[in-house]
Amino acid sequence: EDQVTQSPEALRLQEGESSSLNCSYTVSGLRGLFWYRQDPGKGPEFLFTLYSAGEEKEKERLKATLTKKESFLHITAPKPEDSATYLCAPDTDKLIFGTGTRLQVFP
Amino acid sequence: GAVVSQHPSRVICKSGTSVKIECRSLDFQATTMFWYRQFPKQSLMLMATSNEGSKATYEQGVEKDKFLINHASLTLSTLTVTSAHPEDSSFYICSARPPGQGFNEQFFGPGTRLTVL
Repeated sequence: EDQVTQSPEALRLQEGESSSLNCSYTVSGLRGLFWYRQDPGKGPEFLFTLYSAGEEKEKERLKATLTKKESFLHITAPKPEDSATYLCAPDTDKLIFGTGTRLQVFP
Repeated sequence: GAVVSQHPSRVICKSGTSVKIECRSLDFQATTMFWYRQFPKQSLMLMATSNEGSKATYEQGVEKDKFLINHASLTLSTLTVTSAHPEDSSFYICSARPPGQGFNEQFFGPGTRLTVL
C-alpha cells in the first residue's frame, strides 16, 4: 500500500530561523513528487515538481530536494508570510498527499 | 496562468438535499479534472478523476451514485452531492491538469466548504 509521511506535523519558527520539512514515501511506480502550499480554507498552491533523485529546485526562500525515498523542503530565513501548511504528494498515476506540516513563523 | 475557480465557496444545506459544486478552468482547457475531499487536519483524498466527454473514474470506497460528476466541457466539471447527510460535510477541492503538462501537474481551485445540517 502506498504511504506518505510528513514530519514534523507542526513547526514553529522564529523569523529568520531556517529549517527543513521532511516527506518520506513508500509508493510503487513513482513518476515525480509535488510540493504544495495550503493556506487555511484555501486550495493547495503549486510550488515544485521533482522528477528524479538528486534534483533540486528553488523558489525564493524555499528549496526542494529529492532522494529515492524522501524529499526535503528547506526554508531559509523564513518570514511570517511563509506560515502555511506544506503538502507533499508523490505522483504514481495519481497524487497521494501527505497530511502536511503546519508551519508557523513568528516575528 | 493556470487558474481554477470553484463555486460556491461555502454552502450550507439541510440533510437530504442535493448540492452542486462547479469547477472551472479559467485560462486553459482541461481534458482531465480531479475532485478531492479534505477533512480537518487531514490530507486531500482523491475522490474521482473526471474526463471530458466520458464517465468519471471513482476511487475505491467513493459512492458514485452519491457523488455525481459531470465533465461536460473542457472548462467545466461539476460535483453533485446527492441526498447529503452531516457526514458529507467536508472541504471539497477540484483541480485541473493543463494540456501538455508533464505527468500529473495539477492546479487547484480554492475549495468549497460544505456543511450539512
